[in-house]
Amino acid sequence: QSVMTQPPSASETPGQRVTISCSGSSSNLGTNTVNWYQQLPGTAPRLLIYSDTQRPSGVPDRFSGSKSGTSASLAISGLQSVDEGDYYCGAWDDNLNAWAFGGGTKLTVL
Amino acid sequence: QLQLQASGPGLVKPSETLSLTCTVSGDTISSPDYYWGWIRQPPGKGLEWIGSVYYTGSIIHNPSLRSRVTVSIDSSKKHFSLRLTSVTAADTAVYFCARRGSGHDGNDGFGVWSPGTSVTVSS
Repeated sequence: QSVMTQPPSASETPGQRVTISCSGSSSNLGTNTVNWYQQLPGTAPRLLIYSDTQRPSGVPDRFSGSKSGTSASLAISGLQSVDEGDYYCGAWDDNLNAWAFGGGTKLTVL
Repeated sequence: QLQLQASGPGLVKPSETLSLTCTVSGDTISSPDYYWGWIRQPPGKGLEWIGSVYYTGSIIHNPSLRSRVTVSIDSSKKHFSLRLTSVTAADTAVYFCARRGSGHDGNDGFGVWSPGTSVTVSS
């Protein structure tokens, strides 16, 4: 059971915008920053967003992050078929004393 | 360009010890700006952080794995390692090694990952 909750699936058509949510608590998102990861089929995860809203070098600006209180969101605009995969939020949890990940959201581009 | 490569046995017997090594190339393993860690992913499931080591040898690990986990670093050999004792079928997973920012510049994400290495626990 993950301490951060994500919807198991999301879908949208190419060119549209999709948002993936991550709901946490005061011990993780309420206190610490959130990172987002993309995992394409058969590959290792890739860091998409760090420190709630920042994109590492090389990540397209189609990807954006936001956070308010104990909830965070990842938005993907101009959706492409290559965006199909799993998306995870991650943050340090002060109660667990561990890095925690959400359960993941499987994104389908219709 | 930094590259990580995880290696180790693909099959481990129950109750034995799982040992993996992550070889670092293309950058120093001795930077104070990063931690080096292990994350695993059971078949069809999500990500679980196992533990991380700093270049000084300082270690943090997931309390859920209790005393079964040891993470170590060998800067001279440019690698870091994972030992997981008393394995069971629940430890069957794809294991990744990764570099995480220390957070000094605000980035504490796992920014560079190895390809996964599959480990099956079975007799």
